[in-house]
Amino acid sequence: DSGVTQTPKHLITATGQRVTLRCSPRSGDLSVYWYQQSLDQGLQFLIQYYNGEERAKGNILERFSAQQFPDLHSELNLSSLELGDSALYFCASSAAGTDTQYFGPGTRLTVL
Amino acid sequence: GENVEQHPSTLSVQEGDSAVIKCTYSDSASNYFPWYKQELGKGPQLIIDIRSNVGEKKDQRIAVTLNKTAKHFSLHITETQPEDSAVYFCAASMRGSGNTGKLIFGQGTTLQVKP
Repeated sequence: DSGVTQTPKHLITATGQRVTLRCSPRSGDLSVYWYQQSLDQGLQFLIQYYNGEERAKGNILERFSAQQFPDLHSELNLSSLELGDSALYFCASSAAGTDTQYFGPGTRLTVL
Repeated sequence: GENVEQHPSTLSVQEGDSAVIKCTYSDSASNYFPWYKQELGKGPQLIIDIRSNVGEKKDQRIAVTLNKTAKHFSLHITETQPEDSAVYFCAASMRGSGNTGKLIFGQGTTLQVKP
């Protein structure tokens, strides 16, 4: 167990809908990262937050957004969902000043 | 852009044999290279990592080597066991100012250890 929690574990929704994925980092970790894992694209970095502020952005779609709250948990919002958004979404966290990222168990999103 | 190439995509070995997975990165500024193991239905689990100021690191049956000049790094697993069967990912990152540190992942290697 990495100490990173993600909810829900599974999410099934329809095209055009909006969903919110939630992540709680390890105790004391200030950085939260979001990654998408799909069969054709592999593991891709989406966005990073550090202590509530956006710090780095990957190839995140404009339909996707994220935020990190004062209690350091983070949410990834996916809107106008398309079939191609079906994937595993992972959250990772790291402590300030360190490189090591610990991954959560992921949320499997299925868009029908 | 930043890229990490990983080979082979699949690897099948007999229990007790060694397994080697190789990665090449493109960004010479990368300074941190972790390896993750992912089992079915689970998130990636860090198994070993190496920083650019070190050439080799070992942890029991697992070792990682880094050649900065060639921009190569490799994972070596000795005395493989069936429970080593999983997908392995290499990654590279450059920790920038402001605690940024996105990981660029390789495509993954499916390792099968046959009893």
